[in-house]
Parts: sequence; C-alpha cells; structure tokens
Amino acid sequence: QKEVEQNSGPLSVPEGAIASLNCTYSDRGSQSFFWYRQYSGKSPELIMSIYSNGDKEDGRFTAQLNKASQYVSLLIRDSQPSDSATYLCAVNMNRDDKIIFGKGTRLHILP
Amino acid sequence: NAGVTQTPKFQVLKTGQSMTLQCAQDMNHNSMYWYRQDPGMGLRLIYYSASEGTTDKGEVPNGYNVSRLNKREFSLRLESAAPSQTSVYFCASRGRLETQYFGPGTRLLVL
Repeated sequence: QKEVEQNSGPLSVPEGAIASLNCTYSDRGSQSFFWYRQYSGKSPELIMSIYSNGDKEDGRFTAQLNKASQYVSLLIRDSQPSDSATYLCAVNMNRDDKIIFGKGTRLHILP
Repeated sequence: NAGVTQTPKFQVLKTGQSMTLQCAQDMNHNSMYWYRQDPGMGLRLIYYSASEGTTDKGEVPNGYNVSRLNKREFSLRLESAAPSQTSVYFCASRGRLETQYFGPGTRLLVL
C-alpha cells in the first residue's frame, strides 16, 4: 500500500462548478501537507500547504485537513479550463523532511 | 536567482552505461530531493538529503546513488543504466517549514 493515496481520475467537472480532490495518508505522525499542480510536460508548482486541522482558503482554492481520519482534500471553486491539470498530494511523513507524493489526480474542466 | 537547476535536460543512454544527473539550488535550502516520474505513477522519491552531509533512501532507491556535495549541490548517479530507469527525473529543494521548489526535470531514455 502506497503511503499517500489519490484517485487517479480523470475527474471531469463542468466549468464554473466545484472540483473536489481527495488524498489519504498512512503515517499518523505526518506533520505537513501540500497540494501541487502539474501541467503536462512541466514541473510541479505549489498551490496550497496546510499544517493544522480545518480549512485553509486562498482565492478559489480551499485545503481541508482531518488528521484523525488521515485525510486531506482540495476544493477548487468556480473551476476554469486553465485548472485542467494533474493535482498531486504530498505529505511530510516524519520530522526529517521525507516528502512522499501520491500518484496524482487528473482534472479536466469541461468548457 | 535561478532557483533549482538541473543538467542535462535530456539524455539517451544504452543499457549498462553510467551517468550522473546534476542538481543545484541557490536558495540556501537545507533539504534536497530526487524524484522520478513515470506515466500514471506520480512522483516517487528516490533519495533525499535533509542537510549537508546526510542522505537517506526514499521509496525507490535501488539502482541509484547520490552525493550531497555541499549545501548547493545534490547529484544522482546511475552506475549501470537499465531500460526500467527510463523516466523524467526531478530535483527539488526545501527550506525550513517551506514548500519544495522543483527543477525543470531531466528526461532520460535508456535503450
């Protein structure tokens, strides 16, 4: 079992709707959590980081963390065609900076 | 300020050949990482270095060696390349409590 799990998709969402991306992780001691966006042929770029339980909002993006359930999610409001990409969940597994990624979820925004 | 640089951008090897992938960062970050990315597999951690002078295995270390030459540089060596090592290789660096910054990637083809 991979330490960070994501549904690979593709997830198709109509333009203007809310896209919901989910991620679970195995290590209860994990401290920090990240969502990256990756366009085809490009490097990953950070969208959100979250460190404590609850919601964190940044523009159209909201990250949600539930450490008891070992679950982190990303909501994208008012989805745009430019949001079509692969979204990678990353987890700092322990205190020595080991960061593991999930397989990524491909998101397709339908015009 | 170049961020994270990687060389070469693209390389073709024959089975059994060796090569070193170079990575350098100019952000004074302590932690550096090597990942490989294959279609549908997300980013898989090969090795990481939490500080100058230390290196640790990640998820898929077999067939690779690394050197943290100094705080700026972290190299990845393939001693005897195999077709299974055909992939895109990303180097990343991370400061204390900060996000990872990725290089542009090296595309490696092993024939």
